[in-house]
Amino acid sequence: GAGVSQSPSNKVTEKGKDVELRCDPISGHTALYWYRQSLGQGLEFLIYFQGNSAPDKSGLPSDRFSAERTGGSVSTLTIQRTQQEDSAVYLCASSLNRPRETQYFGPGTRLLVL
Amino acid sequence: RKEVEQDPGPFNVPEGATVAFNCTYSNSASQSFFWYRQDCRKEPKLLMSVYSSGNEDGRFTAQLNRASQYISLLIRDSKLSDSATYLCVAGGGGFKTIFGAGTRLFVKA
Repeated sequence: GAGVSQSPSNKVTEKGKDVELRCDPISGHTALYWYRQSLGQGLEFLIYFQGNSAPDKSGLPSDRFSAERTGGSVSTLTIQRTQQEDSAVYLCASSLNRPRETQYFGPGTRLLVL
Repeated sequence: RKEVEQDPGPFNVPEGATVAFNCTYSNSASQSFFWYRQDCRKEPKLLMSVYSSGNEDGRFTAQLNRASQYISLLIRDSKLSDSATYLCVAGGGGFKTIFGAGTRLFVKA
């Protein structure tokens, strides 16, 4: 079956512009996660969704970052007024029901802010 | 102190060697533990879950020590294809899943 998909795969933008990243989780997976990975670094947790609700937003770096999920499926991560330090790979993952289950990752969106 | 800490390596080992990685976690309330593998410029993929009783999958053995709050991964008979970064994961309190920064392994012919 289809895995987690993300779009775009690469995004180059200018400082100050807004960007929107999309994640399509595995069909039927109710839990969805966003992470950020800077070059040579580990994964930084950003936000977790259970259905359309986000019980844990604690990882969002600033109020320029927001995320939503609709229909218990697709999620978008929006970064407003991008800064150079936002450059990273943004990874989305989904799991069947709960955070303690295996997470399946998408290929990521590589964001470069010039 | 990071919530999940790993030796970044790199570990350089010859084919056929046995190599072990350790990982420590700070949240004593953590209930779930995993090892993920990440190849260069690829997404992480689950290698194995880590159970309290320890578990083995072929050449890979994972163990959990709750008292000392560390988990380990043992790879026997290393293959060239085992070269990757190995990420330790602890399910934190609540919903958060904490990934370590990873340990890089290079297996050489």
